[in-house]
Amino acid sequence: GENVEQHPSTLSVQEGDSAVIKCTYSDSASNYFPWYKQELGKGPQLIIDIRSNVGEKKDQRIAVTLNKTAKHFSLHITETQPEDSAVYFCAAKAGGSYIPTFGRGTSLIVHP
Amino acid sequence: ETGVTQSPTHLIKTRGQQVTLRCSSQSGHNTVSWYQQALGQGPQFIFQYYREEENGRGNFPPRFSGLQFPNYSSELNVNALELDDSALYLCASSTRQLSSGNTIYFGEGSWLTVV
Repeated sequence: GENVEQHPSTLSVQEGDSAVIKCTYSDSASNYFPWYKQELGKGPQLIIDIRSNVGEKKDQRIAVTLNKTAKHFSLHITETQPEDSAVYFCAAKAGGSYIPTFGRGTSLIVHP
Repeated sequence: ETGVTQSPTHLIKTRGQQVTLRCSSQSGHNTVSWYQQALGQGPQFIFQYYREEENGRGNFPPRFSGLQFPNYSSELNVNALELDDSALYLCASSTRQLSSGNTIYFGEGSWLTVV
């Protein structure tokens, strides 16, 4: 089955800095890669996703890049703000599967 | 807001008891998945329901069971509760359209504490 590794487990940045979270996946058939943000006491919320026919996708301060050859994808947050502080999860899903596999999460702390 | 609602939000049970958690899926979604999230961990897939039948199961024992109803709402039942069952239980709904990526949308979860 699919295996998703996520790094780092904790990331501490100053407000205004950029943050990058990286994930690798094992199943070359995976073709859908969502990212979720989970605030304390809440369920994960989808923030951005990318499909395997696209190398990069951007939404305001958030961008995701995908390298299919290397089987890794990354979340980039620019101009970080304290409200970006949360746990971020990556996931990967193979074509024909309806069940994504999640990484273990990255706790992002943005210091004012 | 995702439109996925779960109840109860918090509950405490004693070891050996049984618990039922409930979920209403987002309008237009016919597939419901359940996940267990322990503190500091990512969501772990329990099972998925489509058209009222279990369609995919993770590495969880048979004492974890579920139902899906004709209106696509769902229940998660856990029998013979163990201390390690203490976790956040997440319901997620989606459609069955591969072209859309089958994006799943989570509810806020039910916090279960087993004492």
